[in-house]
Amino acid sequence: DVKVTQSSRYLVKRTGEKVFLECVQDMDHENMFWYRQDPGLGLRLIYFSYDVKMKEKGDIPEGYSVSREKKERFSLILESASTNQTSMYLCASSPLTSGANVLTFGAGSRLTVL
Amino acid sequence: AQSVSQHNHHVILSEAASLELGCNYSYGGTVNLFWYVQYPGQHLQLLLKYFSGDPLVKGIKGFEAEFIKSKFSFNLRKPSVQWSDTAEYFCAVNGGSSNTGKLIFGQGTTLQVKP
Repeated sequence: DVKVTQSSRYLVKRTGEKVFLECVQDMDHENMFWYRQDPGLGLRLIYFSYDVKMKEKGDIPEGYSVSREKKERFSLILESASTNQTSMYLCASSPLTSGANVLTFGAGSRLTVL
Repeated sequence: AQSVSQHNHHVILSEAASLELGCNYSYGGTVNLFWYVQYPGQHLQLLLKYFSGDPLVKGIKGFEAEFIKSKFSFNLRKPSVQWSDTAEYFCAVNGGSSNTGKLIFGQGTTLQVKP
């Protein structure tokens, strides 16, 4: 069964801490994405990547950075966590070809920043 | 800029009732349209998609959606809901000919089905 795995389901961090959210996919997909999900706002794209060492900003990149050193792994980094970054973070992947627009999602990482 | 609007934020239905969830998008060109569903405690998963061709598309679990280009709409329907359809539903769009996987999502609709 193919999957997108997010290593941390629940995290509690303090304001100012550096936070790493890890995502691994086993489908050999080229595209990987980080979304945040908030009630009443739906999913908003933070960053995405089409290839190793490649990244592009989504709609809400401020306060975040990403790293893609290997094809299967896409990390989201909060350099200095703030309370307004308390949210559910969803990683997704898709192939580069005709199925590119069909995303496979991970289970999500619920981050609470105190 | 593309946007997606879902009209109903919270819908409560009894089992066997009919369902229609509204979705409108803003983009004047070619679009790919999607409905994703998130059951309680589960991953977000694809319910159905429209790329081209027949504007009435069928998805899993008896769901269907109709693309009406003139109304910029892609409403989700099911003739008779079940308790197991309780979930959050998201409409999404990818505009243009790009095959990027970069989707714009609506705000989501929470569906609660009472047994």
